[in-house]
Amino acid sequence: GNSVTQMEGPVTLSEEAFLTINCTYTATGYPSLFWYVQYPGEGLQLLLKATKADDKGSNKGFEATYRKETTSFHLEKGSVQVSDSAVYFCALSDRNNDMRFGAGTRLTVKP
Amino acid sequence: KAGVTQTPRYLIKTRGQQVTLSCSPISGHRSVSWYQQTPGQGLQFLFEYFSETQRNKGNFPGRFSGRQFSNSRSEMNVSTLELGDSALYLCASSFEGKSTEAFFGQGTRLTVV
Repeated sequence: GNSVTQMEGPVTLSEEAFLTINCTYTATGYPSLFWYVQYPGEGLQLLLKATKADDKGSNKGFEATYRKETTSFHLEKGSVQVSDSAVYFCALSDRNNDMRFGAGTRLTVKP
Repeated sequence: KAGVTQTPRYLIKTRGQQVTLSCSPISGHRSVSWYQQTPGQGLQFLFEYFSETQRNKGNFPGRFSGRQFSNSRSEMNVSTLELGDSALYLCASSFEGKSTEAFFGQGTRLTVV
């Protein structure tokens, strides 16, 4: 079945550091890929998405590229801020709306 | 337009009781999915409803059930509550449910004592 594996956390960075959170997936066909973010006490919010190979999703300085050859969708940001502290979830959804999430990576950014 | 609304936000129940949680999706969305989030198990898929029919189901015992109404609102029910059912229950809606993004509610925090 479909599955998502993402980098174990927690991740602690200093402000303005470079962020990478790794995400790989297993799926049949061509799923859509997502990154969601969860702030304390909130539900998940869509951060970015990509629906086909080589697509790059971007939002709020975050980027991720759909790499079919490596089945990856790594999240990156060039300069993190304290306000980026949250839990980040990688997810995929296939054409049957079978949506799977990774375990989540907690990011803490220190000033 | 209004987002996904879950009620109640917080709930405390006793072991053995049952509970019903409600989710109102974004207007026009026909797919509603439910997830259980716990610190130990992460985000686990419970089930998905589309046009009043259960379309996908996760690996949870029969004590967990749900339904969807003609207006797309959904409820999930947990019977014979156990301490391990304490979790944040999240509802997500999407337009058609076919590889489209899901919009999440803020969740219902259920505590079983």
